[in-house]
Amino acid sequence: SQTIHQWPATLVQPVGSPLSLECTVEGTSNPNLYWYRQAAGRGLQLLFYSVGIGQISSEVPQNLSASRPQDRQFILSSKKLLLSDSGFYLCAWSPGGGQNQPQHFGDGTRLSIL
Amino acid sequence: SQQGEEDPQALSIQEGENATMNCSYKTSINNLQWYRQNSGRGLVHLILIRSNEREKHSGRLRVTLDTSKKSSSLLITASRAADTASYFCATPLTANRDDKIIFGKGTRLHILP
Repeated sequence: SQTIHQWPATLVQPVGSPLSLECTVEGTSNPNLYWYRQAAGRGLQLLFYSVGIGQISSEVPQNLSASRPQDRQFILSSKKLLLSDSGFYLCAWSPGGGQNQPQHFGDGTRLSIL
Repeated sequence: SQQGEEDPQALSIQEGENATMNCSYKTSINNLQWYRQNSGRGLVHLILIRSNEREKHSGRLRVTLDTSKKSSSLLITASRAADTASYFCATPLTANRDDKIIFGKGTRLHILP
């Protein structure tokens, strides 16, 4: 069966520090991968979308970047964190190949910027 | 901007009662999904209903889709304490053949003992 791992679960970082959040998927090949951010009491905002290694689509202009160095690995990064980067970050995957595919989520990383 | 809007924003009911949440959207879609999120956790996919379907069931869940009214409803029958969570509808972000979806702000459901 497929599983998705996301870490760390919580992270407290000072303003201006770098960031690296990692997400890996097991039990499937060529998944579509997603990074979302969720503000408190709000829906999810899609940040990045990837259909394959090295293929990243940025959905909103921001201070963050994403990379996919391996088929089932998705990394969210920042060189210098801002206060506005605080939030709940969720990684998800769906089977590649088109529409009508449910997404499967990790348990998220709660990021607090001080 | 959000494609789907859930209603109500929050709902509290007694255990054993039925809970109904609604989702309205703006543009034509070919499918709509419902997800559940327990506090501090990731989202869990519940049901996907296609535009040519009017109703779909999964256990205690019943989802309807009315494309003429651009609305969907999620009914949870015989609610349990474990149903306490936020529920989101999600619709395709674009008309392109990809899997990007956009989520509403959710309905927070609280089941009272």
